[in-house]
Amino acid sequence: GENVEQHPSTLSVQEGDSAVIKCTYSDSASNYFPWYKQELGKRPQLIIDIRSNVGEKKDQRIAVTLNKTAKHFSLHITETQPEDSAVYFCAASMTGGGNKLTFGTGTQLKVEL
Amino acid sequence: EAEVAQSPRYKITEKSQAVAFWCDPISGHATLYWYRQILGQGPELLVQFQDESVVDDSQLPKDRFSAERLKGVDSTLKIQPAELGDSAMYLCASSLASKVDTQYFGPGTRLTVL
Repeated sequence: GENVEQHPSTLSVQEGDSAVIKCTYSDSASNYFPWYKQELGKRPQLIIDIRSNVGEKKDQRIAVTLNKTAKHFSLHITETQPEDSAVYFCAASMTGGGNKLTFGTGTQLKVEL
Repeated sequence: EAEVAQSPRYKITEKSQAVAFWCDPISGHATLYWYRQILGQGPELLVQFQDESVVDDSQLPKDRFSAERLKGVDSTLKIQPAELGDSAMYLCASSLASKVDTQYFGPGTRLTVL
């Protein structure tokens, strides 16, 4: 089955700096890659996703890049703010696989003032 | 904005007892998922429903876990008997369809087994 690895497990940045979280996946058939943000005690919230026919997608301060050849994708957050502090999870799934999401182990992002 | 609902939010039980969790997906969402999230890890799929049918329960410990979605709307996940290792967050998610569609998560049920 699919295996998703995520790095780093913790990330501390200064407010205004950029943050990058990287994930690799094992199944070349995976074609959908969402990113979820989970604040302490709250539900995972989708913040951005990318499908395999696209190499990059942006939404304001958040962007995701996908390299299908290398089987890795990354989340980029620019101009970080304290409210960006949370755990971020990457995931992968594929059409025909019932959209079963395989998650990474999460990155605890802390944005310091 | 419609959200996935779950109850209870917290459950404390003793080992060997039975527990049940309830999930109400977003209206019109045909696909429903139950995930288990152990502290410090990402969610792992336990069972997936398409309408009232189970389409993936390969990771569900069937000797103690059961799930149903009788009318293809809300769903119940049961554990009997609960074990210490079952302590985790149980998350329900739903999507409009099963083919690469956004999954929306509920707030989860935090289970503690003593």
